[in-house]
Parts: sequence; structure tokens; C-alpha cells
Amino acid sequence: GNSVTQMEGPVTLSEEAFLTINCTYTATGYPSLFWYVQYPGEGLQLLLKATKADDKGSNKGFEATYRKETTSFHLEKGSVQVSDSAVYFCALSGPQGGSEKLVFGKGMKLTVNP
Amino acid sequence: NAGVTQTPKFQVLKTGQSMTLQCAQDMNHEYMSWYRQDPGMGLRLIHYSVGAGITDQGEVPNGYNVSRSTTEDFPLRLLSAAPSQTSVYFCASSRAGRWGNQPQHFGDGTRLSIL
Repeated sequence: GNSVTQMEGPVTLSEEAFLTINCTYTATGYPSLFWYVQYPGEGLQLLLKATKADDKGSNKGFEATYRKETTSFHLEKGSVQVSDSAVYFCALSGPQGGSEKLVFGKGMKLTVNP
Repeated sequence: NAGVTQTPKFQVLKTGQSMTLQCAQDMNHEYMSWYRQDPGMGLRLIHYSVGAGITDQGEVPNGYNVSRSTTEDFPLRLLSAAPSQTSVYFCASSRAGRWGNQPQHFGDGTRLSIL
């Protein structure tokens, strides 16, 4: 079945540091890929998505590129801020299942210190 | 703009009690899902629905029941609560999309403790 493997952390960075969170997946065909963010005490929010190979999703300075050849969807940000402290989840849906069935990685907690 | 609304936000139960977690969405989304979030486990799918009157099991359905009588509501029932069901529960909804390309929208969660 489909699965997602991501860095688990926790990770602590200083403000303005570079961030990479690795995410690889296993799926047949071409799934859709997502990054969700969970701020303390809140639900998950969509951060960005990509629905086909070589697509780049971007939002709030974060970027991730759908790499079919390496089955990866790594999240990057050039300069993190204290407000980026949160838990980050990589997830996929489809192609056999629809968007009602997300498969998540275990999440990575990021703390950014001033 | 309410989105996905879950009630209650917190609940404490005794082993063997039953309860219903409520979920409502106002976006006219076809799909709705329930997940549980446990430390170190990410989110796991409990049950899902692709439309009113249609439900199916996810990865961890045992001990839970769902129904979908309207597009807006998707309650989750715990039949006989067990300590292993202590978790944070999230409801999500999404539009029907091709090849799963529509993102899910999440509620704020229900934190449930079973004593």
C-alpha cells in the first residue's frame, strides 16, 4: 500500500537558518503530494501541494518539488522565522484512493529560536 | 467562514462509556474523513465518506462507528470507550477530485481521554 517516510526530529534551528525536511513516498502511479503544518493547539493547515511530477508547490517562503524519479517531496525554506515553529506533516493521496484518504508521515516538530 | 467545526474540544470518559464526536462542514464538500493523532504515529484514518449515505473503513476502524445522513455532518461514535482510544481526533473534508488532488480541510480537533 501507499506509505510516507519523513524526518521525525524534533529539530531546533536559529532564526534565519535554512530548513530542509526530507519526505519520500511509496505509491503506485502518480499520487498527489501535500505538506501540512500544525501550530500548537490547532488543527492541520495545508501548506502546499503538488499533483504531478516536476510540479513545485510554494507558500509562505516554503517550497517542495515533486520528484518522481526519487519518489521525494522535500520541504525547504531559505530563512526560517520564530513563527514557523510547528509540526510539519508530509502526506499523499491517490491515485487509487481519492482525496478522502490521506496517508501521513509521522510528522516533524520544528522549533525556531530567536 | 466556519469551515470544519468539531465539538467538543475536550472530553474525559470512563472505560466502557459511549459518546459521539460531532463534525460539521459548511463548504458543501463531498468527502469527509476522521483521523486520530497519536504521538510518534502521525495521523491515521479511522473512517471516511464519499457522500451522504456512503461510508467505509480506514486503517484503524475497530471500536468506532460512523454515519453520513447529510452532506454537512459526519459524527464519529465510540461504542465502548477503551484507554487505547485516548487520542486527538480530527475531522476533515474535501471536494471530490481527480486522482486525489483536492486538499483536505481540517477541524481543530477533539482531545479525548479515557480513564
